[in-house]
Amino acid sequence: NAGVTQTPKFQVLKTGQSMTLQCAQDMNHEYMSWYRQDPGMGLRLIHYSVGAGITDQGEVPNGYNVSRSTTEDFPLRLLSAAPSQTSVYFCASSRDRGRFYGYTFGSGTRLTVV
Amino acid sequence: ELKVEQNPLFLSMQEGKNYTIYCNYSTTSDRLYWYRQDPGKSLESLFVLLSNGAVKQEGRLMASLDTKARLSTLHITAAVHDLSATYFCAVALRDDKIIFGKGTRLHILP
Repeated sequence: NAGVTQTPKFQVLKTGQSMTLQCAQDMNHEYMSWYRQDPGMGLRLIHYSVGAGITDQGEVPNGYNVSRSTTEDFPLRLLSAAPSQTSVYFCASSRDRGRFYGYTFGSGTRLTVV
Repeated sequence: ELKVEQNPLFLSMQEGKNYTIYCNYSTTSDRLYWYRQDPGKSLESLFVLLSNGAVKQEGRLMASLDTKARLSTLHITAAVHDLSATYFCAVALRDDKIIFGKGTRLHILP
């Protein structure tokens, strides 16, 4: 099993550009989520999904879109990047919404918007 | 709105000493998690606490949960340098949102 795979690992964008951060898991996990991590702020939930076709907003959803067309994939889209979106982004998944097992995190994507 | 507060946010301690990290949260929850993060790395799951009075131990780390007080503790016994990392608690809401604290950066001096 590869676990949770995030691509790319690093990305530099210009203000106003769009891009998609990819997240894929091969563990048949229903629950997937996206976080951003900024210094001194911990991790903040952007969007999450409890299954294919179902998504919901987290704490900081503005400027980000998600979709969940398959169980395996949960891409995060930045439609018009802003410097405030410079951050490290983590994707996480869980087999049972974390009710008995924790969450598995990907290795992260470090995004810089200039 | 759920607030999750950890303290201290930074802790420097000597090897061999004991210490406790606290995690307070503001809304009823039945699930609390502890994670470890090394610099530049991803998060590693340490403990999942599911009920009032739950206690789990792994090596020199022990976590407990008091849902009535809305408090979890992560206790470090006889700290060693390898435990230097940032520790996060995270709390689950009924709609399955998982909210993290800001983390406790632990530095253990030899």
